[in-house]
Amino acid sequence: GQNIDQPTEMTATEGAIVQINCTYQTSGFNGLFWYQQHAGEAPTFLSYNVLDGLEEKGRFSSFLSRSKGYSYLLLKELQMKDSASYLCAVRLNDYKLSFGAGTTVTVRA
Amino acid sequence: SQTIHQWPATLVQPVGSPLSLECTVEGTSNPNLYWYRQAAGRGLQLLFYSVGIGQISSEVPQNLSASRPQDRQFILSSKKLLLSDSGFYLCAWNWASEQYFGPGTRLTVT
Repeated sequence: GQNIDQPTEMTATEGAIVQINCTYQTSGFNGLFWYQQHAGEAPTFLSYNVLDGLEEKGRFSSFLSRSKGYSYLLLKELQMKDSASYLCAVRLNDYKLSFGAGTTVTVRA
Repeated sequence: SQTIHQWPATLVQPVGSPLSLECTVEGTSNPNLYWYRQAAGRGLQLLFYSVGIGQISSEVPQNLSASRPQDRQFILSSKKLLLSDSGFYLCAWNWASEQYFGPGTRLTVT
């Protein structure tokens, strides 16, 4: 089976930085996705890493280390609208995604 | 641009009733299509995926089925719903390295 672990909850202050870690052990690997999901809504695509290293997109950055089975999503200059669930997903060899349970981030004023 | 549609947005059905959820994609051809379910407070579980018309792969044995009658249409069905079928059903499509989700259908089985 696939094993993808991420923390259940994190809390941070507006304007701060939060790092959400994701570790994985899967039967195949063709990249790692991060999604943002607000309560009651569908997930929206944030980032995709297939090679080791850091990918930066505005306030959001994602890092991947394939040898360690590890990724993180870094959210900078937190805003209240960033309060959401963040989902880590591994793309397996046949285009399927296997998801972690998600990390709920609460941003406080 | 590519767009994915799902309907209905919400549905309340009694136990034992049938189900049909529809997903259509616009702006692309021959997409890989997926059905996921998210139970309350849980992660996404892949139910079915399809790489072409009439081709369906099932991930989890249960009382649900899927069909792809047209290139850009993906249907999730059940003959008799169970209470455990309640959840948020999401259709997704795959283009190159990215996977995008439709708006979802929230199903409550009573």
